[in-house]
Amino acid sequence: AQKVTQAQTEISVVEKEDVTLDCVYETRDTTYYLFWYKQPPSGELVFLIRRNSFDEQNEISGRYSWNFQKSTSSFNFTITASQVVDSAVYFCALSELTLTDSWGKLQFGAGTQVVVTP
Amino acid sequence: GAVVSQHPSWVICKSGTSVKIECRSLDFQATTMFWYRQFPKQSLMLMATSNEGSKATYEQGVEKDKFLINHASLTLSTLTVTSAHPEDSSFYICSSETSGIEQFFGPGTRLTVL
Repeated sequence: AQKVTQAQTEISVVEKEDVTLDCVYETRDTTYYLFWYKQPPSGELVFLIRRNSFDEQNEISGRYSWNFQKSTSSFNFTITASQVVDSAVYFCALSELTLTDSWGKLQFGAGTQVVVTP
Repeated sequence: GAVVSQHPSWVICKSGTSVKIECRSLDFQATTMFWYRQFPKQSLMLMATSNEGSKATYEQGVEKDKFLINHASLTLSTLTVTSAHPEDSSFYICSSETSGIEQFFGPGTRLTVL
């Protein structure tokens, strides 16, 4: 069963538009971690954020912001005033301890391709 | 942050040959390393977990005799794709875990089997 769902396969925006990427997760654990990674065409994963299940405070980092809502099991990511350099695939991931005995095992969503055109 | 390297960054080989990919944690000791595989336009799928000095744990559906993993030291894990076939062509990414939560990904190795 899919643990992390990223329903949007691809989103295309024009530069300076905002873009929101959805992530819905499924877990029975009370303690877990959620992540967002960026994968540019080079392939290397770029870590964006890690959030534990007890911290529902929204976070903003520059043009990036994240909205974590446990009630809906969602961890959405917004890029404000998008730029061409934001073009990449973005992955949401979940880390559970109970079923995997290691925090390091990540379960990735399918990813969302963001295309920002000038 | 900590640095994880992979070597080679890309490799092309003939069908039937074996290919070894190295994953090194350059400035920290990694008790656990993970190997992921990513087919074109797909997500990352965990292949196996390796702990230093012990046998790797493979995910369901991953052939342990085909994908040999060795974690001989706290800074090095290797993945050997034995008797590679075109369907093994993929992007292989390793990650290293430090204090249980922190983990760092390598840059990936692109394998093409002709």
